[in-house]
Amino acid sequence: GQQLNQSPQSMFIQEGEDVSMNCTSSSIFNTWLWYKQDPGEGPVLLIALYKAGELTSNGRLTAQFGITRKDSFLNISASIPSDVGIYFCAGQGAQKLVFGQGTRLTINP
Amino acid sequence: KAGVTQTPRYLIKTRGQQVTLSCSPISGHRSVSWYQQTPGQGLQFLFEYFSETQRNKGNFPGRFSGRQFSNSRSEMNVSTLELGDSALYLCASSLTGGPQGEQYFGPGTRLTVT
Repeated sequence: GQQLNQSPQSMFIQEGEDVSMNCTSSSIFNTWLWYKQDPGEGPVLLIALYKAGELTSNGRLTAQFGITRKDSFLNISASIPSDVGIYFCAGQGAQKLVFGQGTRLTINP
Repeated sequence: KAGVTQTPRYLIKTRGQQVTLSCSPISGHRSVSWYQQTPGQGLQFLFEYFSETQRNKGNFPGRFSGRQFSNSRSEMNVSTLELGDSALYLCASSLTGGPQGEQYFGPGTRLTVT
């Protein structure tokens, strides 16, 4: 099925570092969503973006909806241990969400 | 406000059996979507229900079916289970679904087929 290209697939960083990840698609999306999933749990919605060019923050998280509507970016500033997990981007097309493969974030204290 | 709930959380079944999973959406949400998550394929869309009608369907065989009740609760059924059906099954609810619908996920049902 249709999928988004999310990168990087994994990241190993030091506590306190900033993190950047992105998603690209060959299709245009109306909405971009970013989720975080902890082991054994369902994804939790972090940020929703509705307009091309939109930049939205949620605490230390900042996400952007690309101008072309085919990409999105997520930045995490000053990472802390509880940021560990898998981050997924999702594009909302007609009636369904399409997910990226996820970015696994590991933080060394 | 209570979140999305799914039951059961864990299930072990044998090949050839069938299984029914349940999802209760956030109060007031009318759209329920189901996803299958596996390490190899990631999160794959199964189907979406809105007002008791299937509104959209992913590329899964007919062994996967679902329904939605008048109170928006939804069930998903998998018949003739195969080993490859082992996965985390997630449901997500939103107010209306569609292009502006933020989806909120439940904790999932972990299905193991032996």
